[in-house]
Amino acid sequence: SQKIEQNSEALNIQEGKTATLTCNYTNYSPAYLQWYRQDPGRGPVFLLLIRENEKEKRKERLKVTFDTTLKQSLFHITASQPADSATYLCASALFNNAGNMLTFGGGTRLMVKP
Amino acid sequence: DGGITQSPKYLFRKEGQNVTLSCEQNLNHDAMYWYRQDPGQGLRLIYYSQIVNDFQKGDIAEGYSVSREKKESFPLTVTSAQKNPTAFYLCASSGAGAYTFGSGTRLTVV
Repeated sequence: SQKIEQNSEALNIQEGKTATLTCNYTNYSPAYLQWYRQDPGRGPVFLLLIRENEKEKRKERLKVTFDTTLKQSLFHITASQPADSATYLCASALFNNAGNMLTFGGGTRLMVKP
Repeated sequence: DGGITQSPKYLFRKEGQNVTLSCEQNLNHDAMYWYRQDPGQGLRLIYYSQIVNDFQKGDIAEGYSVSREKKESFPLTVTSAQKNPTAFYLCASSGAGAYTFGSGTRLTVV
């Protein structure tokens, strides 16, 4: 079965710096990867989706890359702000069809200090 | 506004009691899911449904039951057979691609 691995240790960075979070997958190459943000006591919120044939995707201060050789996705937040502090979840889908099942990683907690 | 609503936000269960968590969506999504999240851990799939009147077990279905009589609704019952039910429960729905999650129900055994 698919396994998604994220660094379980919290990432602490200074405001204004770029935060980089890692997501590694094993076994099967996903059709696409998704990134979600989760605040304490709340449900995850969808941020970005990147497909297998895409190298990079951007949305405002967010950037996601997908490296099928390394079996890895990197999630970057540039010019980070304290409001970016949250847990970020990576999820993979094996197929492109509707209602496709996602496998979630354990998430990485990001702390941005002023 | 379209969205997914979970209720209640907090729920307390006594030993040996069944409780039902509500999940309603008005996004016209076919697929719905229930996840369990324990402190500091990722999401574990309990049950999912890809169409009305059909549902499948996820990775940790034992001690849980669901129904999908309407497209909008996917309630989860935590039965007395679930020995460690204290957790944060999340419902989600999807059309194609991204999931939309509810705000969760925190269940505590007292």
